Amino acid sequence: GAVVSQHPSWVICKSGTSVKIECRSLDFQATTMFWYRQFPKQSLMLMATSNEGSKATYEQGVEKDKFLINHASLTLSTLTVTSAHPEDSSFYICSAPDNLRRSYNEQFFGPGTRLTVL
Amino acid sequence: GQSLEQPSEVTAVEGAIVQINCTYQTSGFYGLSWYQQHDGGAPTFLSYNALDGLEETGRFSSFLSRSDSYGYLLLQELQMKDSASYFCAATGGGNKLTFGTGTQLKVEL
Repeated sequence: GAVVSQHPSWVICKSGTSVKIECRSLDFQATTMFWYRQFPKQSLMLMATSNEGSKATYEQGVEKDKFLINHASLTLSTLTVTSAHPEDSSFYICSAPDNLRRSYNEQFFGPGTRLTVL
Repeated sequence: GQSLEQPSEVTAVEGAIVQINCTYQTSGFYGLSWYQQHDGGAPTFLSYNALDGLEETGRFSSFLSRSDSYGYLLLQELQMKDSASYFCAATGGGNKLTFGTGTQLKVEL
């Protein structure tokens, strides 16, 4: 149990286009999901907290108009990278805690989406 | 702000014991977690310490000292499959995780 999926697993796009990444909790409901970005050989940096039924909260330095987050349901959050540029190329990962069945302190991560902007 | 520092790389031989340290400076600290990440993969949860002391889960143990703002992950009976990156992460308000700088563990024969 407690599986999180992401789609797509990788995407290549041209500079200036927008890319949507989906994060789904497959066997539990997630009122909160988190989005991270990870550059090669670096740590995970929290970008934003996705809240079902309300606006996402963004970490300092993350442009909310560039990284649009929509928590459409209790099992789906989407991250849209708008007007992507080569510097946005990174590994994007989502996570969610399974509040009901597991320890709230354990978060379950999706497999990640590797974005390459040409 | 929050920062968690780890050694960048640790090398050990199969069957040995290795300790990965984590020192932190945070506000709103609730506890310290440890995650394992293989190259290109998702982080997977290893352990969580809310209180001072040692938590043991199989070959892995984790320790926390709040007064010293310090924790460590202890891996015993190392196996080749343990070669991965290990991250400590501080849990803050709203269950947000702030990850440490990460430690790449290399297990050699």
